[in-house]
Amino acid sequence: GAGVSQTPSNKVTEKGKYVELRCDPISGHTALYWYRQSLGQGPEFLIYFQGTGAADDSGLPNDRFFAVRPEGSVSTLKIQRTERGDSAVYLCASSLAPLEGNTQYFGPGTRLTVL
Amino acid sequence: TQLLEQSPQFLSIQEGENLTVYCNSSSVFSSLQWYRQEPGEGPVLLVTVVTGGEVKKLKRLTFQFGDARKDSSLHITAAQPGDTGLYLCAGATSGTYKYIFGTGTRLKVLA
Repeated sequence: GAGVSQTPSNKVTEKGKYVELRCDPISGHTALYWYRQSLGQGPEFLIYFQGTGAADDSGLPNDRFFAVRPEGSVSTLKIQRTERGDSAVYLCASSLAPLEGNTQYFGPGTRLTVL
Repeated sequence: TQLLEQSPQFLSIQEGENLTVYCNSSSVFSSLQWYRQEPGEGPVLLVTVVTGGEVKKLKRLTFQFGDARKDSSLHITAAQPGDTGLYLCAGATSGTYKYIFGTGTRLKVLA
């Protein structure tokens, strides 16, 4: 693919609802990252996948957040019982391999608004 | 908890001026990256530095990694309106594959 794509670009939901955010990484990239970026701040690490497995999920804020990557390509970030504080831009990035210093290519993000 | 503080938080300058953005931490990083992010888009990698004292140049941008690998700076010479954006530093510690991002510096260059 040309780059990392994320859908939807915008998602508005009500407090308490369930949402899924999708990330399509660059073809062939084995590493995939999810970040959350609040207004005026830098991205905050959530979870990192190497292939199909979550290699580091230490950034997930609580058990309402869950992510999967069943076939080692597309990933879905799932948020249960959304809260207003979950409102943010959710960024996905992929890289060729999980080597330190490797280039992460970011998608445009999904802007989540919880009313 | 690792924390990367960037300064200044906001910067508005005239075209042609020079500027420096700083990224500081109490932690030692094995590599540090600088990104630029524009509204509605994800961050785009500008440079990666890995050696203490390393200096890298990218056209009018000069990046330096501190000798102790705890801090970094980004210097822009003769800023242009196209340099406008959010500049982010991100550091990784040895043995991990996740980057911790700084607080960001929002730069506006006026024509």
